[in-house]
Amino acid sequence: DARVTQTPRHKVTEMGQEVTMRCQPILGHNTVFWYRQTMMQGLELLAYFRNRAPLDDSGMPKDRFSAEMPDATLATLKIQPSEPRDSAVYFCASGLGQLSSYNSPLHFGNGTRLTVT
Amino acid sequence: QKEVEQNSGPLSVPEGAIASLNCTYSDRGSQSFFWYRQYSGKSPELIMFIYSNGDKEDGRFTAQLNKASQYVSLLIRDSQPSDSATYLCAAEGSSNTGKLIFGQGTTLQVKP
Repeated sequence: DARVTQTPRHKVTEMGQEVTMRCQPILGHNTVFWYRQTMMQGLELLAYFRNRAPLDDSGMPKDRFSAEMPDATLATLKIQPSEPRDSAVYFCASGLGQLSSYNSPLHFGNGTRLTVT
Repeated sequence: QKEVEQNSGPLSVPEGAIASLNCTYSDRGSQSFFWYRQYSGKSPELIMFIYSNGDKEDGRFTAQLNKASQYVSLLIRDSQPSDSATYLCAAEGSSNTGKLIFGQGTTLQVKP
């Protein structure tokens, strides 16, 4: 059963530390999304890639966040330096191109629960 | 104004009743709409998608779309306690890039 794999599942860190979250999309999926979920804001789109190229990262605080896809099997989201307000669940999701053209759902990973103290 | 808006709830219905979940969106260019279900502590999972005006039925679920009113809804018939979850409405961006914008989600509680 193909699935999106995210690591780590949980991360507790101190303010100012660097945090790296990793995502392995489903093999063959060409679109990767990073979302952040909090009680207050819900699911916010941070960045997304198609065929490894960044298409939109307008939802991401540029001064501290960065997202990359070094290869088709790995997407990373880094926060440096981390702040308490970054505490949230970070989801990676992968899919196939235009969601309206395929009967193919966006598959979510299990998320990384980040706590910054 | 958020691009996709939902009432956060909670919406409480008795077992066996019809649950009606609503969503409005601001981007008139959006063509495709999705309903995801998220259980507490879990990741969202797709339950329905719709891109034509009107109704689309799948088992106990019916999605309704009215593009003129920019309104999407999800009806759950014969609600079960296992339907208790947060339901997220999402709209695909007007450029058909696959970019999904989610609403805040509506928490549904089905009481036995």
